[in-house]
Amino acid sequence: EIVLTQSPGTLSLSPGERATLSCRASQSISSTYLAWYQQKPGQAPRLLIYDASSRAAGIPDRFSGSGSGTDFTLTISTLEPEDFAVYYCQQYFSSPFTFGPGTKVDIK
Amino acid sequence: QVQLVQSGADVKKPGASVKVSCKASGYSFTSYSIHWVRQAPGQGLEWMGIMNPAGGSTTYAQKFQGRVTMTRDTSTSTAYMELSSLRSEDTAVYYCARRDGGNSAVGYWGPGTLVTVSS
Repeated sequence: EIVLTQSPGTLSLSPGERATLSCRASQSISSTYLAWYQQKPGQAPRLLIYDASSRAAGIPDRFSGSGSGTDFTLTISTLEPEDFAVYYCQQYFSSPFTFGPGTKVDIK
Repeated sequence: QVQLVQSGADVKKPGASVKVSCKASGYSFTSYSIHWVRQAPGQGLEWMGIMNPAGGSTTYAQKFQGRVTMTRDTSTSTAYMELSSLRSEDTAVYYCARRDGGNSAVGYWGPGTLVTVSS
């Protein structure tokens, strides 16, 4: 089973700042099988990035993904008030399609 | 538009089983696999397994092997997830989901079904 580790656990930032979230895999995965999701309280997750670096439909361009192998990054270039949420990475390279534990981005 | 409509919240006693339904619309049901993901209160997302509605084949996370069964009814475009031998740790919101259009990430999610296990 591929274990995903996310850091930091919590990121306290102000609107307008840049957020950098990390996701590390316990073994190499193809960059085409890594996704990032955003989840707000009481809501289902929303797909932001698929295949490590492609934005899903309707996702603003302030969200970007990068990385390959075992190290992946989600960057939010300029935080908007609606971006404060929990972010999860997921690998869909091999079953079970595991999620990371999440990074909470909260308001400083 | 793609919609996944799930059954309502349920309360079960320890040792019982629960069956959650997920009715799909807006696309060809047999063309996309259905994932099941759960989330315990205040916790992260946990992938449970996947079912191919075309032939009914399934892959379950090892943690749930022997306790989970994923099935479908193609005549009503409905997927089901049954979890047996429930314990308090199974209290969670259960989501069905479908992959995005042109890639394999999970792009469409149901609203979730809260299952509470309590004596």
